[in-house]
Amino acid sequence: IVLTQSPATLSLSPGERATLSCRASQSVSKFIAWYQQKPGQAPRLLIYEISNRATGVPARFGGSGSGTDFTLTIDSLEPEDSAVYYCQQRASRSPEYTFGQGTKLEIK
Amino acid sequence: QMQLHESGAGLVGPSQTLSLTCTVSGDSISSGAYYWGWIRQHPGTGLEWIGYAYRTGDTFYNPSLNSRVTILGDTSKNQYSLRLNSVTAADTAVYYCAVKRGVMAAFEYWGLGTLVTVSS
Repeated sequence: IVLTQSPATLSLSPGERATLSCRASQSVSKFIAWYQQKPGQAPRLLIYEISNRATGVPARFGGSGSGTDFTLTIDSLEPEDSAVYYCQQRASRSPEYTFGQGTKLEIK
Repeated sequence: QMQLHESGAGLVGPSQTLSLTCTVSGDSISSGAYYWGWIRQHPGTGLEWIGYAYRTGDTFYNPSLNSRVTILGDTSKNQYSLRLNSVTAADTAVYYCAVKRGVMAAFEYWGLGTLVTVSS
């Protein structure tokens, strides 16, 4: 399964809402996750199973979707949200994981 | 809070074996809850899942790397390792150890990552 993220780059202002898309090449199960990666850092898990926030993740981060289309929404953007965001899937009957190519979010 | 730290050679010769160790603190890897994984990131690009292992000895590898990868745990040291055979320049990447809990199909805990360069 191939995950395609869009847009490649997103430039927004503080206080705005970011909407990041992740499209799968075929229908996937509930096992969609989102990660945030800042320069020089390891990825940080934000969302698992489409819409569940990981421990310590602010409520400004939300996940949704089903089938082949999934979305990460970030409300009330802050400068610290500047990062690359990756989606990841695991097929329901396979132990394999794949990642999207990432969306770079810039906060002007 | 689980913490992970990668260690190993930062420079490996072509056709040699890449070996890395992930040292875990904050919890025991022999806990039934955890799967021990490795993920890599080629310079300037995205993430690639390498594989993971469970305390039972079960292992799951990326099919594209399957014939060259081994992940093993050493519960006495609370560590686990990655071995990647017959490396080429295409294996140059930052390697992360990452742990997931069995109930979650996502990697919750990550090490800081270590750059491994394949070059003569």
